[in-house]
Amino acid sequence: DQQVKQNSPSLSVQEGRISILNCDYTNSMFDYFLWYKKYPAEGPTFLISISSIKDKNEDGRFTVFLNKSAKHLSLHIVPSQPGDSAVYFCAASAAADSWGKLQFGAGTQVVVTP
Amino acid sequence: EPEVTQTPSHQVTQMGQEVILRCVPISNHLYFYWYRQILGQKVEFLVSFYNNEISEKSEIFDDQFSVERPDGSNFTLKIRSTKLEDSAMYFCASKKAGSLAKNIQYFGAGTRLSVL
Repeated sequence: DQQVKQNSPSLSVQEGRISILNCDYTNSMFDYFLWYKKYPAEGPTFLISISSIKDKNEDGRFTVFLNKSAKHLSLHIVPSQPGDSAVYFCAASAAADSWGKLQFGAGTQVVVTP
Repeated sequence: EPEVTQTPSHQVTQMGQEVILRCVPISNHLYFYWYRQILGQKVEFLVSFYNNEISEKSEIFDDQFSVERPDGSNFTLKIRSTKLEDSAMYFCASKKAGSLAKNIQYFGAGTRLSVL
């Protein structure tokens, strides 16, 4: 079941530069998308989300972009900081799935180097 | 800040034994979930729970699994007879009631289940 794909398993970026994480989905019923951040031995922590009625949502250093026609979303982190080093998961859900189960991507390991 | 609490953090059991994983969701949340992540694989949905009953379950959630909200605060996942392939990280999540247009779920730190 590959409804949500994160094709880059890892990303290395210098401190202060932009991190761009990508996510693709196949299910056209998905209408709500989330990014979670996960440190080792912790659970996924909600970062930012976007509804399909928008194409951009910004929260501080984090911006999520949604391209519905391409079934693609991305997370931009500017500027990247060492504390951003973590695994980032993209997740999606469909309002038609009324109980809200999330479908996750495989995750992207981000390493921010000094 | 309110958080989802899971106990134990690590559970080791013998194959065929029953285990109960415990979760205390955020107090004003009404939707509850269990997910699992087998090492090296994706986080997978197991079950959702609302209004004291299962609202949806995945193919993984077979007769060996059950969930319960025994009181106003705890939410448990029971595996009746564990198998080696049940070894995984199990995450509990909860969500406020309200518009499903904002499906933000908050996760606990997880319970690592090791079946020997």
